[in-house]
Amino acid sequence: DVKVTQSSRYLVKRTGEKVFLECVQDMDHENMFWYRQDPGLGLRLIYFSYDVKMKEKGDIPEGYSVSREKKERFSLILESASTNQTSMYLCASIKGGKRSPLHFGNGTRLTVT
Amino acid sequence: SQQGEEDPQALSIQEGENATMNCSYKTSINNLQWYRQNSGRGLVHLILIRSNEREKHSGRLRVTLDTSKKSSSLLITASRAADTASYFCGLRTSYDKVIFGPGTSLSVIP
Repeated sequence: DVKVTQSSRYLVKRTGEKVFLECVQDMDHENMFWYRQDPGLGLRLIYFSYDVKMKEKGDIPEGYSVSREKKERFSLILESASTNQTSMYLCASIKGGKRSPLHFGNGTRLTVT
Repeated sequence: SQQGEEDPQALSIQEGENATMNCSYKTSINNLQWYRQNSGRGLVHLILIRSNEREKHSGRLRVTLDTSKKSSSLLITASRAADTASYFCGLRTSYDKVIFGPGTSLSVIP
């Protein structure tokens, strides 16, 4: 089974801190995604990557950046955390091609105080 | 902007009843995927239907897709308490990204 691992389950950071959320997948998937999930809003796509060193903005990229130096790892960076970035962050990966489902990590619940 | 919309937002049924959730969308898609989420964990894939398919079954799940109406439905038959979860439709678009709507929260009462 594909495993998508997010480095932290819970994280508490202060306003203005630089925050790194790490995600690793073990099945050589081409595409990786970062979503945030908020009550009533569902999952919103922040960034995705379809190859090493490639990235595409999703629907809400403001305040975030990403890094994909290796195929298995996709990092989400909050350059200067703000309280409105308190949320559940979900990483997912998918094999290239049109018939594959997403595989999700268990999420990181980030609180910015 | 989100381009998937599930309805109803919340659904409460008795164990043994059938549950139907709908997903409408605006963009063109390669496939549509339904997911379940328990207790704020990651989403788990349930079933995928390609844009050239109209209906698909998996166990107690039945998914239909009407691309002319840009809508899909998920039917869970003979529901169980363990089906209590949030359900999301994911739209795989031509740019290979997958976008979601706000989801349907299903409660199955024993």
